[in-house]
Amino acid sequence: EPEVTQTPSHQVTQMGQEVILRCVPISNHLYFYWYRQILGQKVEFLVSFYNNEISEKSEIFDDQFSVERPDGSNFTLKIRSTKLEDSAMYFCASQSQGLGNSPLHFGNGTRLTVT
Amino acid sequence: AQTVTQSQPEMSVQEAETVTLSCTYDTSESDYYLFWYKQPPSRQMILVIRQEAYKQQNATENRFSVNFQKAAKSFSLKISDSQLGDAAMYFCAYSPYSGAGSYQLTFGKGTKLSVIP
Repeated sequence: EPEVTQTPSHQVTQMGQEVILRCVPISNHLYFYWYRQILGQKVEFLVSFYNNEISEKSEIFDDQFSVERPDGSNFTLKIRSTKLEDSAMYFCASQSQGLGNSPLHFGNGTRLTVT
Repeated sequence: AQTVTQSQPEMSVQEAETVTLSCTYDTSESDYYLFWYKQPPSRQMILVIRQEAYKQQNATENRFSVNFQKAAKSFSLKISDSQLGDAAMYFCAYSPYSGAGSYQLTFGKGTKLSVIP
């Protein structure tokens, strides 16, 4: 069964550095998402992306965050200047079509540690 | 704003027995979706079951079923004949019905289910 893949599985970076988290969604999917989960807390919605643009974003997704689908296969999340509080598990998800009977498929996540 | 509450941080069940995980939510919407996701140690979030709010019939997927009480805003998950592989973190999630079609899931804090052999 096709899967959403995320790389790396664990990323350690210093505060203030830029980091790019990578995701390869399922190939025929049209909607793409990033969620994050701070240790011990809820999974939180960051952003959704459709037709090469952001369709919705949360308050967490401020100017330090950006998303791209540069080559039609990868879907990336960039954090420009990481803060300690950005340490979390970041999940990518994709969806074949934006309908109620089309579930989200999640990747295994990237654990980001900011030191 | 929507909220999702899972009041049981941890649950345990004997293998082959039945367990029910609780979830309540708060919304002013009439059309929405509810989900249960499973997160095993591999970390991948796996969809277990989905319920459309406009459907009165409770969703069922093999050993997994829900008790959806719309008026009470309750959405519990029942796992029958529990298996060792059911041990995981279980998240209840809500999404409003969006004409644009994308989901913006609001998750609960999760319930850690242990299965005792």
